[in-house]
Amino acid sequence: IAGITQAPTSQILAAGRRMTLRCTQDMRHNAMYWYRQDLGLGLRLIHYSNTAGTTGKGEVPDGYSVSRANTDDFPLTLASAVPSQTSVYFCASRPSGGAGTQYFGPGTRLTVL
Amino acid sequence: KNEVEQSPQNLTAQEGEFITINCSYSVGISALHWLQQHPGGGIVSLFMLSSGKKKHGRLIATINIQEKHSSLHITASHPRDSAVYICAAPAYSGGGADGLTFGKGTHLIIQP
Repeated sequence: IAGITQAPTSQILAAGRRMTLRCTQDMRHNAMYWYRQDLGLGLRLIHYSNTAGTTGKGEVPDGYSVSRANTDDFPLTLASAVPSQTSVYFCASRPSGGAGTQYFGPGTRLTVL
Repeated sequence: KNEVEQSPQNLTAQEGEFITINCSYSVGISALHWLQQHPGGGIVSLFMLSSGKKKHGRLIATINIQEKHSSLHITASHPRDSAVYICAAPAYSGGGADGLTFGKGTHLIIQP
């Protein structure tokens, strides 16, 4: 693989179910991010991680959790999905926690019914 | 928290026209980002700039740190430039270690 991969590409999920969106990068970037994109609201930061072992909350963290056990992987978990979490989710990374271009994954389209 | 405003929200132009998209932000930053998103969803970073001007092909980005304002220009626009252009700045002052905050995007359509 090269760059950032996300899985699944799309998913339809029943409300109340647990779901983990996967994100993997092979660029050895320290910083990783999860964003959601909604029509009319644009992209918003959910959670971030500046280095393996650390995470932080973004603008819209409620209902989501993340972990960063190693440099490459940054999974996003919805413990009990609700319809308002229907969105397109993008994972991104960049070389360090400071300035630097962000690289985006292809996105996961999630529908919660 | 930084607030990012973009204008216009929608822009339709004829092929060959000079295009300008504007972005303003509220908190001093070290660098501002311009992103492009084509129909189908992929997001690509076009520019990251902290001062002056950057050029890549027909795309030019400028920034005025004192005015907290940036512009993206497209010269000799082409239908393949049709996309959503998004301005982004660090969510808080500084370099953006804690992520970016985004404008709502400018939906650009270039008609042949």
